[in-house]
Amino acid sequence: QSVLTQSPSASGTPGQTVTISCSGSSSNIGSHYVYWFQQVAGSAPRLVMFRNRQRPSGVPDRFSGSKTGTSASLVISAVRPEDEADYFCVAWDNTLTGLWAFGGGTKLTVV
Amino acid sequence: EVLLVESGGGLVKPGGPLRLSCVASGFNFSEYTFNWVRQRPGKGLEWVASIGPRGRSLDYAEALRGRFVVSRDNLKNTLFLNVSEVMTDDTAVYFCATEVWDFWGRGTLVTVS
Repeated sequence: QSVLTQSPSASGTPGQTVTISCSGSSSNIGSHYVYWFQQVAGSAPRLVMFRNRQRPSGVPDRFSGSKTGTSASLVISAVRPEDEADYFCVAWDNTLTGLWAFGGGTKLTVV
Repeated sequence: EVLLVESGGGLVKPGGPLRLSCVASGFNFSEYTFNWVRQRPGKGLEWVASIGPRGRSLDYAEALRGRFVVSRDNLKNTLFLNVSEVMTDDTAVYFCATEVWDFWGRGTLVTVS
């Protein structure tokens, strides 16, 4: 059971806009930055968004992030077949001794 | 070029010890906090532990505290993750990553059987 909640799957056709959501609570998303990763099968995760809405260099501007209250979203505009991957969110959680809380991941299929 | 390279995985018998390493290069290792993360087969990512720049600040996932110990050698640019009494549930790919997740290793597979 993941601390952050993500829908298990999402899909889109090339050119569409896809939104992947991540829901948490006041102890994590509500008070800390959210980071997003892309993981292609068999590969290490790749950071695609940090501090809620900032893109690392090399990540296309088709990727954007936002946060409202205790939820965050990763939006992929004009989705491409190469965007097909698992996407994970993570945020620090200040309950107990503190921990990094991951979402369970959303598998994006580009059909 | 920033590189993180994990090693030490393989087949381990239940109840045995495990020591994973992560060698870093391409940046000033001793200035950074690092994370260990694992991914069980077919599952999502699970944070395991974090270690501060001097190795004094340590955080662990509550469920793993006690069996997992993270350490580092700043002279050798190396992180370590020691696991005592491994269990079949510890079977996973183990990754090291920087504090703010911008760099990851390719992971090392641990199979407990």
